[in-house]
Amino acid sequence: GAGVSQSPRYKVAKRGQDVALRCDPISGHVSLFWYQQALGQGPEFLTYFQNEAQLDKSGLPSDRFFAERPEGSVSTLKIQRTQQEDSAVYLCASSTRPNEAFFGQGTRLTVV
Amino acid sequence: KQEVTQIPAALSVPEGENLVLNCSFTDSAIYNLQWFRQDPGKGLTSLLLIQSSQREQTSGRLNASLDKSSGRSTLYIAASQPGDSATYLCASHPDDYKLSFGAGTTVTVRA
Repeated sequence: GAGVSQSPRYKVAKRGQDVALRCDPISGHVSLFWYQQALGQGPEFLTYFQNEAQLDKSGLPSDRFFAERPEGSVSTLKIQRTQQEDSAVYLCASSTRPNEAFFGQGTRLTVV
Repeated sequence: KQEVTQIPAALSVPEGENLVLNCSFTDSAIYNLQWFRQDPGKGLTSLLLIQSSQREQTSGRLNASLDKSSGRSTLYIAASQPGDSATYLCASHPDDYKLSFGAGTTVTVRA
């Protein structure tokens, strides 16, 4: 595709609900990243995939957060039992080379 | 953990004035330093990437400098325009894939 596509663009979840956020990377991009951006803050690294392998998940804030990329293309970030502090914009990025990530528009998650 | 700080948090200037945005980072052992632009409701757009062996990069009206020894980078935007209004994020590369971002400087250019 023309760019990194994320869906949904906006998600409102009740506290305790599970959510799934989708990322469609640029075709052919081997690397895929997830970042979390709280209001007024810079993005914080969550996790990194190279093809289907999750090479770094050190930024996932708790075991309620889970990411997968089973076929090395589309990725899903799942948050179980959402809490208010999970409210943020979740950004996905993909790249073919280090230090050249292309970001999607993000999914704004609001937990009420 | 790499800490990245951006000062000021917000800046408002009249059109035509030059902009100076500052970024500092705690760990000088970085791979690269990158500046991004973020518009409301949109993703991040990369503006300039300075490799660790370089001291500056230029693209049009934008110039970014890097001083690893002092842990600082500066983004200069010459002759600002209303279209330059956005949030500018500085990010260091502590390794060859991860980015550590500052909180950003929100710029408003008044017509």
